[in-house]
Order: sequence, then structure tokens, then C-alpha cells
Amino acid sequence: GAGVSQTPSNKVTEKGKYVELRCDPISGHTALYWYRQSLGQGPEFLIYFQGTGAADDSGLPNDRFFAVRPEGSVSTLKIQRTERGDSAVYLCASSLTPDRNPYGYTFGSGTRLTVV
Amino acid sequence: KQEVTQIPAALSVPEGENLVLNCSFTDSAIYNLQWFRQDPGKGLTSLLLIQSSQREQTSGRLNASLDKSSGRSTLYIAASQPGDSATYLCAVSGNFNKFYFGSGTKLNVKP
Repeated sequence: GAGVSQTPSNKVTEKGKYVELRCDPISGHTALYWYRQSLGQGPEFLIYFQGTGAADDSGLPNDRFFAVRPEGSVSTLKIQRTERGDSAVYLCASSLTPDRNPYGYTFGSGTRLTVV
Repeated sequence: KQEVTQIPAALSVPEGENLVLNCSFTDSAIYNLQWFRQDPGKGLTSLLLIQSSQREQTSGRLNASLDKSSGRSTLYIAASQPGDSATYLCAVSGNFNKFYFGSGTKLNVKP
């Protein structure tokens, strides 16, 4: 596609529920990244995919968070047993190549998750 | 771990002023530095990207400089306009494009 698409744009869920957030990267971009942005803060790294595999998941806060990219394009971030502290904007970005990329990132518009 | 700091946290200026936003980072072993703009409730829009071998990049009224050895970057905005009001984020990356972001500078340009 022309840009990075994230759905839904807004998600309100009850504490304890399971949610899935979707990211559709730019066509041909092999690297895909998930970030989380809390109010008033800059985005924080969660996980990075190169193709289908998670090359770096060191930013996932705990085992309630999981992400997949089964066919090397669309990615889904999954959060189990949501907590109020998970409320944030979840941003997805993609880039043409992962390593020493001179073009940087293209970000999606994000999914605003609110856990009530 | 890389730490990125942006000063000031907020800035309010009258229309037409030239202004400078500052970014500093603790680990000089970076590959890219990228400045982004974020409007309220929106995603990030890339403004300028500077590779570590470069000293500056320019786009229209925007100029970004990089002093890698001292761990500093500045974003210069000339002749500011109300439409420039947004949060400006600085991010640095090492290998594999894992970016570390500052908390941003919230800019308000008054008509």
C-alpha cells in the first residue's frame, strides 16, 4: 500500500480482555517495528521483525504481549489479560531494509488502546 | 542503553520567529538520526533524516544538524507559522534501525 495502515484506530476494552492490533506495512518493506507511546512520552520500542521472524523482542514488557508476522507482511500485536497500564498509542513502522537503512522509518497513524 | 533528551519540553513563540529545538543522546555510536513531527492524536511524520556520516539536512524552512561526537542535534525552523504547531520528536538508531526517542518538544506558534 501507499502507507503503513493500522487498525483499529481506536480500541476500548475492559480490563482482563484480549485484544489484537493489526499493522499492514508498506508493500515490499521487509522490516516491521512496533512501538508504544504513553501520554507525554516518546515512543518506546517493543519488537522488530525481519521477514517472518522476530529479530528483537527485547522491548515487550511481559509475556502478556506477543506479536506475529506469519507471511512477512501484515503483523498482529496481541495483548492478553489487558491491564489499565496497557493504555497507550501503539505505533507500527516499516522500512525497506533493516540494517543500516538510509531511508529511516515510515510510521502508521497508530492504534489508541484504552483499557477501562 | 541509549538515552535521548529533548530541550525545551515546550515552547511558545509568536509567528515569524526563527527557533531551535535541541536533542542530545548519550551513545554516539548511532547510524541515523531522524526528526519527526506529531500532531495531536496522530502518528509520526518524518521531517528529516541525517545519516551518521552527514552533518546536516535541509528541507524547506527546516534545517537539522548533527554533531555525532558530542551527541547533539538541532532542528532549526525558520519563519515559524501557526501550522508548525505540533510536537517534534528526535530519534536515534544504531544497527537494525531500532530507534530511541526523546520525549519531544511541544511547539505552539501564536498567530
